[in-house]
Amino acid sequence: DAGITQSPRHKVTETGTPVTLRCHQTENHRYMYWYRQDPGHGLRLIHYSYGVKDTDKGEVSDGYSVSRSKTEDFLLTLESATSSQTSVYFCAISGATGGAYYGYTFGSGTRLTVV
Amino acid sequence: KNEVEQSPQNLTAQEGEFITINCSYSVGISALHWLQQHPGGGIVSLFMLSSGKKKHGRLIATINIQEKHSSLHITASHPRDSAVYICAASNTGGFKTIFGAGTRLFVKA
Repeated sequence: DAGITQSPRHKVTETGTPVTLRCHQTENHRYMYWYRQDPGHGLRLIHYSYGVKDTDKGEVSDGYSVSRSKTEDFLLTLESATSSQTSVYFCAISGATGGAYYGYTFGSGTRLTVV
Repeated sequence: KNEVEQSPQNLTAQEGEFITINCSYSVGISALHWLQQHPGGGIVSLFMLSSGKKKHGRLIATINIQEKHSSLHITASHPRDSAVYICAASNTGGFKTIFGAGTRLFVKA
């Protein structure tokens, strides 16, 4: 069973509509991340969370908001989708013990198309 | 200049060849990650290292902290190794990571 799942896997939506992507983990990891991946760019961080209700912006956060009300769920919301937000979105988790952290596990990705 | 740079961008190899992918970074790091992404697929973490060398099967990752350089080696390459390999540097805090643009590897049978 995958320790991290994303939903939906694919979505097509119209410009101006709100969209929420969900990331669910069963690993009890503290850190959760949302990235977008676009041709010609490396993965770029949108938002991340370091605990329940603790979130912060990444490098491409404009137009996105997040919420984390439970350890296992991290939601990414596009308040009013635009064509520039067409992308593949990846959720990732990582954990830390005693100040040292260990590596990432990525979700399978959500391909979002805004028309 | 990108803070994490990979070379080459694209690489075609014949099955059985020894492959090296390089990664240079300009930020202070606590860990260097190597990830693999197959076409249309998800992202898999191959290695996380902060010093020395790690080996898993036919894959070897090395890092030189002083030179701010890491390499990923694939021995006896196989067509199933065809994928994009991504280098990523995590900051001292451990939860912010900068990703390279990736190296696209194609191994011909």
